Amino acid sequence: KNEVEQSPQNLTAQEGEFITINCSYSVGISALHWLQQHPGGGIVSLFMLSSGKKKHGRLIATINIQEKHSSLHITASHPRDSAVYICAVNNDMRFGAGTRLTVKP
Amino acid sequence: KAGVTQTPRYLIKTRGQQVTLSCSPISGHRSVSWYQQTPGQGLQFLFEYFSETQRNKGNFPGRFSGRQFSNSRSEMNVSTLELGDSALYLCASSLGDKETQYFGPGTRLLVL
Repeated sequence: KNEVEQSPQNLTAQEGEFITINCSYSVGISALHWLQQHPGGGIVSLFMLSSGKKKHGRLIATINIQEKHSSLHITASHPRDSAVYICAVNNDMRFGAGTRLTVKP
Repeated sequence: KAGVTQTPRYLIKTRGQQVTLSCSPISGHRSVSWYQQTPGQGLQFLFEYFSETQRNKGNFPGRFSGRQFSNSRSEMNVSTLELGDSALYLCASSLGDKETQYFGPGTRLLVL
């Protein structure tokens, strides 16, 4: 079993929908990261959190330390949100397999 | 402020050769991490350097090595290249522990 599991693997949504991507981990963590990777490979760090909730624009990330679970929410999704979203834990960055999101207009 | 830069962006090598990749972090960032991304294995952590010292190392063979210079620039080296080393190699820099990482555009290595 992987130390970091993401679901779903693939997600297709209509523009405007509310999206949730989940990440579960089995190791103790000091921090959890949400990353976004666009076609072509560029990676952007969206959030780093160790507790609670963070919000940036239409993106919200939450983490439940007791349940070892984090979620990334996208409100009012847009085609430009189409990308692979990756969860990673700790300084040595153990990665989930990623969630490929496609938002259709 | 300039972002993380990686050189070269693309590279073709043959089996058995060695390769050196370079990463220049954002000015002021002292931590540089390296990652390998392949379609089969996804993203994997290679190693992290902070102030010229390797702080963390992933589960890769000794053929993979790295170093960091006093100006925080970092290089990684892969010796005796294998076909399976074909990948996108990414570096990321940050101010330090528990700080946001900023990724470079990557070096795409093809081993023939």
